[in-house]
Amino acid sequence: GAGVSQSPSNKVTEKGKDVELRCDPISGHTALYWYRQRLGQGLEFLIYFQGNSAPDKSGLPSDRFSAERTGESVSTLTIQRTQQEDSAVYLCASSLAGGSGNQPQHFGDGTRLSIL
Amino acid sequence: AQSVTQLDSQVPVFEEAPVELRCNYSSSVSVYLFWYVQYPNQGLQLLLKYLSGSTLVKGINGFEAEFNKSQTSFHLRKPSVHISDTAEYFCAVLNTGFQKLVFGTGTRLLVSP
Repeated sequence: GAGVSQSPSNKVTEKGKDVELRCDPISGHTALYWYRQRLGQGLEFLIYFQGNSAPDKSGLPSDRFSAERTGESVSTLTIQRTQQEDSAVYLCASSLAGGSGNQPQHFGDGTRLSIL
Repeated sequence: AQSVTQLDSQVPVFEEAPVELRCNYSSSVSVYLFWYVQYPNQGLQLLLKYLSGSTLVKGINGFEAEFNKSQTSFHLRKPSVHISDTAEYFCAVLNTGFQKLVFGTGTRLLVSP
């Protein structure tokens, strides 16, 4: 079966432009997560969806970042007025239910975002 | 709040040698513990997890990890590494009752012939 799919795989854009990153979770996975991975660093949690609601947005770094999810499927992460510090790999993960220890998170291959 | 420390940013090792990647965590409550592997230009793949029970956990690709509550550690080991094990390894904790994984900064394992 298909895993978590993210698009685009690479995105290069100019500072100040808006970007939209897409995540298709594994079918049937109700929980969806966005993480950011800066060069040489671990993963930073951004936001968690349960269904189409986001009970935890605590990791979004600024109001330029937003995310939405349609039902229990596709999610988009939008970054407005991009800055160079937004350059990173953005990883999406999905899991059954709430991603407890018994429901591990499955990761996509990420979108590599480069801001010029 | 939880935190995860991976003290070694890079571990070079020769093929067929044993390896240990260190992970220490801090948390005031019970946690679940995970090791993920990331191959170049790919997402993260779950290697193994500790939820409860036996403190020695076996995962995929011959890796194992031991949970030590008194030392708050969850070190990853493999008795004999292969070139194909070259990758970035991340330790992570999940606070029971929450959904947010907290990751360490990763350890790059470099296996040479």
